[in-house]
Amino acid sequence: NAGVTQTPKFRILKIGQSMTLQCAQDMNHNYMYWYRQDPGMGLKLIYYSVGAGITDKGEVPNGYNVSRSTTEDFPLRLELAAPSQTSVYFCASAPSGESDTQYFGPGTRLTVL
Amino acid sequence: QKEVEQNSGPLSVPEGAIASLNCTYSDRGSQSFFWYRQYSGKSPELIMFIYSNGDKEDGRFTAQLNKASQYVSLLIRDSQPSDSATYLCAAPGGNQFYFGTGTSLTVIP
Repeated sequence: NAGVTQTPKFRILKIGQSMTLQCAQDMNHNYMYWYRQDPGMGLKLIYYSVGAGITDKGEVPNGYNVSRSTTEDFPLRLELAAPSQTSVYFCASAPSGESDTQYFGPGTRLTVL
Repeated sequence: QKEVEQNSGPLSVPEGAIASLNCTYSDRGSQSFFWYRQYSGKSPELIMFIYSNGDKEDGRFTAQLNKASQYVSLLIRDSQPSDSATYLCAAPGGNQFYFGTGTSLTVIP
């Protein structure tokens, strides 16, 4: 199993550009999550999904969109990138919700200039 | 809004000592807690989880939960330089996880 994979590993965007961060898992997990981590800070939840076709906002959803058309994939879309979106983005998955361990991908380091 | 708070440190201990990491949480209904370790530039990885009051031991790691005081801790015995990392406490709520800001631990050889 590859676990949770994320692409790209690094990306530099100009202000106003858009991009999609890809996340895939091969563990047949129902739950998937997107977090951002700013330097010296904990993880902030952006969006999550409890299954294909079902998504919901987390703590910091503004400026982002997600979709979940399959169990395996959970892409995160940034529209009109802003410097405040400079961060490390982690995707995670879990078999179910509250009592299950989350498995994290390696992260995407995004810089918006 | 559930809150999970950690002493951000940094915490430095000599090799072989016990490192004590602490976490408090605001939601009395929280039933389980997770400790993740995150090396610099890497993603978080699970160290331990605990559901019940009291202690849970796994090798050199012991998690302690006190629901009455809304307090959970992680003890690392015989600390090694390889334990140097940031430790994140997390509490699930609904379909989400709430993470603390993490405590940076340095083990000095």
